[in-house]
Amino acid sequence: NAGVMQNPRHLVRRRGQEARLRCSPMKGHSHVYWYRQLPEEGLKFMVYLQKENIIDESGMPKERFSAEFPKEGPSILRIQQVVRGDSAAYFCASRRDGYNEQFFGPGTRLTVL
Amino acid sequence: GQQVMQIPQYQHVQEGEDFTTYCNSSTTLSNIQWYKQRPGGHPVFLIQLVKSGEVKKQKRLTFQFGEAKKNSSLHITATQTTDVGTYFCAGDPQDRSTLGRLYFGRGTQLTVWP
Repeated sequence: NAGVMQNPRHLVRRRGQEARLRCSPMKGHSHVYWYRQLPEEGLKFMVYLQKENIIDESGMPKERFSAEFPKEGPSILRIQQVVRGDSAAYFCASRRDGYNEQFFGPGTRLTVL
Repeated sequence: GQQVMQIPQYQHVQEGEDFTTYCNSSTTLSNIQWYKQRPGGHPVFLIQLVKSGEVKKQKRLTFQFGEAKKNSSLHITATQTTDVGTYFCAGDPQDRSTLGRLYFGRGTQLTVWP
């Protein structure tokens, strides 16, 4: 059973470009979470999604950031018009319905030049 | 709002010394989870505590959940260099209005000197 997969692992963007981060949860997992982590800092919750629904997006900036988890395919975290402050590691985690344990992906390291 | 505080932020120990990190929640928790993140890696689930006063052991690691289900600790006996990493606690509030979201502490970064 493959773990949570994220791609790309590293992403470099220039200011003003768009960044698309993908997350494929573990098989059978219908809950997906996105977190942001700056160097030497903790995990900052961004958004919690279930298939086709956003459950909690209270940690996500209202502008430029959006997330989706379609019926088919991976969850996508989209950052429009990136700025240098968006540089961070973005982790996705998934869990099975009825279980609390979250399984994390390897993360996408975003660098904005 | 819901908050989970974790201390200390950093801990440097000599190999063989013990280590403890503490977690406190602003509200009562349904359960608490602990994760470990190695340098350059991603968080990995260690354990979940559910019952008031629960104590669980994993080899040299001892996890405790407070009687009031608002605090928790992780204690490592006789640290080894393989214990290096950041340890996070994550609380699941008893109030289900938070809909399954975990609240992570800031983490304790452990350095072990050989």
